[in-house]
Amino acid sequence: DTAVSQTPKYLVTQMGNDKSIKCEQNLGHDTMYWYKQDSKKFLKIMFSYNNKELIINETVPNRFSPKSPDKAHLNLHINSLELGDSAVYFCASSPGGLSYNEQFFGPGTRLTVL
Amino acid sequence: EDQVTQSPEALRLQEGESSSLNCSYTVSGLRGLFWYRQDPGKGPEFLFTLYSAGEEKEKERLKATLTKKESFLHITAPKPEDSATYLCAVQTHTGTASKLTFGTGTRLQVTL
Repeated sequence: DTAVSQTPKYLVTQMGNDKSIKCEQNLGHDTMYWYKQDSKKFLKIMFSYNNKELIINETVPNRFSPKSPDKAHLNLHINSLELGDSAVYFCASSPGGLSYNEQFFGPGTRLTVL
Repeated sequence: EDQVTQSPEALRLQEGESSSLNCSYTVSGLRGLFWYRQDPGKGPEFLFTLYSAGEEKEKERLKATLTKKESFLHITAPKPEDSATYLCAVQTHTGTASKLTFGTGTRLQVTL
């Protein structure tokens, strides 16, 4: 029933660790995104994939590496976690291309780096 | 660089007290303007898309309008369940990709 799902919902970890967040959509969409929402609720795009191909890569440290095994999944791996990585990470999907379609968001993963 | 500014940052209304939220933007090549609602602990939920100046869309107590420089979200006779953060975003194209740039949101609280 869930359109865009993410796991885990909460992630608490120590500085320097490596962690992954998984995202899956069952909407049949071609494009998926990762966003970061900071403590001031500012939502900023990080990456976008279209049919498993990276099409948007904003200024994000290369410690963040997205991986899309198929068009229904987009995972986010983060190496050497830092305090500033603490935020809520949202996955989203849309039908894709240059159409005017809205993006559908997942429930978010709250990452806390201690 | 594309910029989206929302005001006010926070708004407290009594039930039934109508008001408007503002979203002003400067972008090169606006493809669409989106309004989302975000409840605490949840992902943004789509409300409206506006494509051209003069366009209006309505849904229950909400009405969104668009001019060449800004959009308004009018809330008529709000209820406590309308309490949420309302996010505005502009859609632009970068090459073959479509991208949303969000504002920082307006946190709305509606009290009895």
